[in-house]
Amino acid sequence: GQQVMQIPQYQHVQEGEDFTTYCNSSTTLSNIQWYKQRPGGHPVFLIQLVKSGEVKKQKRLTFQFGEAKKNSSLHITATQTTDVGTYFCTSHLRASGSRLTFGEGTQLTVNP
Amino acid sequence: DTEVTQTPKHLVMGMTNKKSLKCEQHMGHRAMYWYKQKAKKPPELMFVYSYEKLSINESVPSRFSPECPNSSLLNLHLHALQPEDSALYLCASTRAGNTEAFFGQGTRLTVV
Repeated sequence: GQQVMQIPQYQHVQEGEDFTTYCNSSTTLSNIQWYKQRPGGHPVFLIQLVKSGEVKKQKRLTFQFGEAKKNSSLHITATQTTDVGTYFCTSHLRASGSRLTFGEGTQLTVNP
Repeated sequence: DTEVTQTPKHLVMGMTNKKSLKCEQHMGHRAMYWYKQKAKKPPELMFVYSYEKLSINESVPSRFSPECPNSSLLNLHLHALQPEDSALYLCASTRAGNTEAFFGQGTRLTVV
């Protein structure tokens, strides 16, 4: 089956520092979605990227989709304690639109 | 209404019990999903229903039995579970097969 690898698994930062998580796939992805799950919560959709080389911004969050559509990144500028949680990348396989498969996630902790 | 509602929020059941988890959405979404999530792990896809038909079963043991009575409802029937089945069970829905997923708050299941 498809492997969507995500690194790092854990990241501890001081408030105000930047943070980046990376998602890599061995196969071409039809799209990439990013979700955030707060401790004790459920995954919440952040964004979807579809086009090769696409870059989207949401306030302090910047999302990129690689040219080959096999990798993606999420960058947070000047982290805040509200950014704490686990960030997952997910994707639908090109051949199977409904199989939404999650990467391992990056657990972010922010020290105030 | 952009909610996915799951009941119950918590469930404790014995290994000989039969119970059901329920999921409901009124967004007109035609794809619905069951995920299992263990602590500090990503959601693991179990089943996908598309237009009320089971389209994906990720080799889930038969002690888990999904049902989609109509386009708004998704059930997961549980029978003869094992303690290792204790986890957070998440329901999600999407408008189409590869769009934004909306997750319910989950049912935290404990098998004793």
